[in-house]
Amino acid sequence: GENVEQHPSTLSVQEGDSAVIKCTYSDSASNYFPWYKQELGKGPQLIIDIRSNVGEKKDQRIAVTLNKTAKHFSLHITETQPEDSAVYFCAASLAGGTSYGKLTFGQGTILTVHP
Amino acid sequence: GAVVSQHPSRVICKSGTSVKIECRSLDFQATTMFWYRQFPKQSLMLMATSNEGSKATYEQGVEKDKFLINHASLTLSTLTVTSAHPEDSSFYICSAWAVLRGRSSTDTQYFGPGTRLTVL
Repeated sequence: GENVEQHPSTLSVQEGDSAVIKCTYSDSASNYFPWYKQELGKGPQLIIDIRSNVGEKKDQRIAVTLNKTAKHFSLHITETQPEDSAVYFCAASLAGGTSYGKLTFGQGTILTVHP
Repeated sequence: GAVVSQHPSRVICKSGTSVKIECRSLDFQATTMFWYRQFPKQSLMLMATSNEGSKATYEQGVEKDKFLINHASLTLSTLTVTSAHPEDSSFYICSAWAVLRGRSSTDTQYFGPGTRLTVL
């Protein structure tokens, strides 16, 4: 089955700095890679996702890059703000057509943005 | 984006009782829903895949007789924790694929807000 490794486990940055979280996956058949933000006591919230037919996707201060050959993908947050502080999870899955597979999650990264 | 709701948000029960948690897709139909459990400071662990009109598929190590799943309609899946014990205390989260064909954003998995179960 799929295995997703996520690093770092904790990340502390100053407000305005950039933050990068990296994930690797094992199953080359996976084609869908979402990133979720989870605040304390809440369910995960999708912040951005990427599919295997593109190498990069950007949404304002958030971007995700995907390297299918190396089987790794990364989340980039620029101009971080204190409200970005949360736990971030990457995940991998096979999705599309008639197949909607289960997500395999990384271990999570606790991001702390200091004012 | 698509909305998934859960009820209740918090529940406290006595050991030995059963607890039912509901997961609803509010603005889309979901033939498949997923149930996760999350312990403090840990990642989400998939418990089972809930399939509308058929039996759920459980992950290895998850007791199907203890965690009963019913997916009776395209918008509702329920998880019943039977004979709950303190070790079942956890944060339970459901999710569903929202297939938004015809839109610029396509298939995406959305999560509910979670249910905090505390077993005394």
